[in-house]
Amino acid sequence: DVKVTQSSRYLVKRTGEKVFLECVQDMDHENMFWYRQDPGLGLRLIYFSYDVKMKEKGDIPEGYSVSREKKERFSLILESASTNQTSMYLCASSLTGVSGSKTQYFGPGTRLLVL
Amino acid sequence: GENVEQHPSTLSVQEGDSAVIKCTYSDSASNYFPWYKQELGKRPQLIIDIRSNVGEKKDQRIAVTLNKTAKHFSLHITETQPEDSAVYFCAASWGNYGQNFVFGPGTRLSVLP
Repeated sequence: DVKVTQSSRYLVKRTGEKVFLECVQDMDHENMFWYRQDPGLGLRLIYFSYDVKMKEKGDIPEGYSVSREKKERFSLILESASTNQTSMYLCASSLTGVSGSKTQYFGPGTRLLVL
Repeated sequence: GENVEQHPSTLSVQEGDSAVIKCTYSDSASNYFPWYKQELGKRPQLIIDIRSNVGEKKDQRIAVTLNKTAKHFSLHITETQPEDSAVYFCAASWGNYGQNFVFGPGTRLSVLP
């Protein structure tokens, strides 16, 4: 059974703070994703990574960076948190799709409040 | 790039009735179409998916149909139950490496007892 975990369920930070959100998956998946979920806007892709140290910008990368030093771990970094980054952040992982499955498995989410 | 629209945004049905949610996509290169269910406070979970070489797929009370010509796919839930109440997301993916995904905005389904 695929397990994707995120470091925190809830976080409260102040404007200007540096924020780290961590995601870990235990299924040796190549792909990992960070999404932001806001009411009425669905899931918007921030960044994804297809291999260690490899990353690609998604639709809304501004104000965010990522790090993937190990295959199982994908971190999202808010360099200087702002109130408009208050949101639910979801991590996901998947195989490359070459094997036949592109199913994304999601973590439980981190609800971030920036004051 | 790919754009996925989803309708309706909210849907209320009586228990036992059927529910249909429709998504349209823009990129004819999309070849994989999953549907996710997200219950309140929980993570999205895959409930059914379909590939572009298949027109219909069924799993118990849930079915998905795909019309490649019209670029739309639909989720059908029959004999709805209160536990079907959730937000449902469709998505479209292209390429072979699982990296290209676009999600629809979601449909909030309420099944009324």
